[in-house]
Amino acid sequence: IQLTQSPSSLSASVGDRVTITCRASQGISSHLAWFQQKPGKAPKLLIYAASTLQSGVPSRFSGSGSGTDFTLTIRSLQPEDFATYYCQHLNSYPLTFGGGTKVEIK
Amino acid sequence: EVQLVESGGGLVQPGGSLRLSCAASGFSLSDHYMDWVRQAPGKGLEWVARSRNKAQSYTTEHAVSVQGRFTISRDDSQNSLYLQMNSLETEDTAVYYCARGFCTSGTCYSGDSWGQGTLVTVSS
Repeated sequence: IQLTQSPSSLSASVGDRVTITCRASQGISSHLAWFQQKPGKAPKLLIYAASTLQSGVPSRFSGSGSGTDFTLTIRSLQPEDFATYYCQHLNSYPLTFGGGTKVEIK
Repeated sequence: EVQLVESGGGLVQPGGSLRLSCAASGFSLSDHYMDWVRQAPGKGLEWVARSRNKAQSYTTEHAVSVQGRFTISRDDSQNSLYLQMNSLETEDTAVYYCARGFCTSGTCYSGDSWGQGTLVTVSS
């Protein structure tokens, strides 16, 4: 199963609403997770089961979708949100990640 | 506090071998699925291997790119996860992370906790 993220990068300002999409090459139900990664750091789990917020993650992050089309939304972008975001499917093996979306400061 | 600490990375020649370790603390390793995930320099994340928990008989899965060359294993008595890497190729150069998994509603997800990563460089 291939995961295609779009866009691959975006520029946004603090306070903006940001939406990242992840499309699976075949249906994966809701078996999708989203991660945030900052340079030189390990990834951090944000959302699992497509829409469940991981404990401790700010509520400005949300996920939606099922089947083949998924979105990660950041409601009001904060300075600490500038990072690269990855989706990962857990539907079957091999598990795969999307190519990533880099969110940069405008 | 949950903590994962990888070790064992370094410089190795093509065709060589290396064994990575991940020391877990703050939780019982036997209760959790565990994954290895890697990231080549400047590239995205790539899932490498999974070790299921004791309840699932410690069965394993490996990515196609490493099948037959890498083997994930664990020693719950040592609370440690391992990745034996043989026949290393230059394309295996990456930071290798261990990640703790968790299961909910029949699906087991990766990465509610991660180590800091260990760099493996395959070069002559």
